[in-house]
Amino acid sequence: GDSVTQMEGPVTLSEEAFLTINCTYTATGYPSLFWYVQYPGEGLQLLLKATKADDKGSNKGFEATYRKETTSFHLEKGSVQVSDSAVYFCALSLSGGYNKLIFGAGTRLAVHP
Amino acid sequence: GAGVSQSPSNKVTEKGKDVELRCDPISGHTALYWYRQSLGQGLEFLIYFQGNSAPDKSGLPSDRFSAERTGGSVSTLTIQRTQQEDSAVYLCASSPGGAGGYTFGSGTRLTVV
Repeated sequence: GDSVTQMEGPVTLSEEAFLTINCTYTATGYPSLFWYVQYPGEGLQLLLKATKADDKGSNKGFEATYRKETTSFHLEKGSVQVSDSAVYFCALSLSGGYNKLIFGAGTRLAVHP
Repeated sequence: GAGVSQSPSNKVTEKGKDVELRCDPISGHTALYWYRQSLGQGLEFLIYFQGNSAPDKSGLPSDRFSAERTGGSVSTLTIQRTQQEDSAVYLCASSPGGAGGYTFGSGTRLTVV
């Protein structure tokens, strides 16, 4: 079935370090791919998205490229800040129908000064 | 409204009691989704509404769970005879349709004691 696999956390980094959170997917058809972020005590927010192969989504210094050949959508940021500490969820939405999202398990990121 | 509003934000109930959780989607959003976020389970899809009808109820965990939507707007998720394993954060999201991402509410934290 359709699924999303994320790198297990927690990920602990120092401020200004480079971040990668791996995400791979299994899907029939051509899904859209998303990263959502959940800051402490807050709801889920859309961080970025990509709707077709080779698209790059970007927001707040985060980037992810839709790689059809490796079925991946890894999240990257060149220099993390303490304020980036949150839980990050990779998700897919199948094409050709309504936008039911299938989520990965989430990766907790902790950034220390 | 400006965002997706959920009420109550927190609910503590005794095992065996019924609870109702409410979701007010963004005005004009035709699609509405319920998800459950629990420790160890990640984010689970429960049900999807398009207008007032629910073409996908596949995620409802048992017949104790039901949901309705009226006027193409407000939705209520009802859990009958609550059990301790129902304790979780119940998230509602709405979408105008298409390949965009959702807007999530802040959730209702349900604790069954």
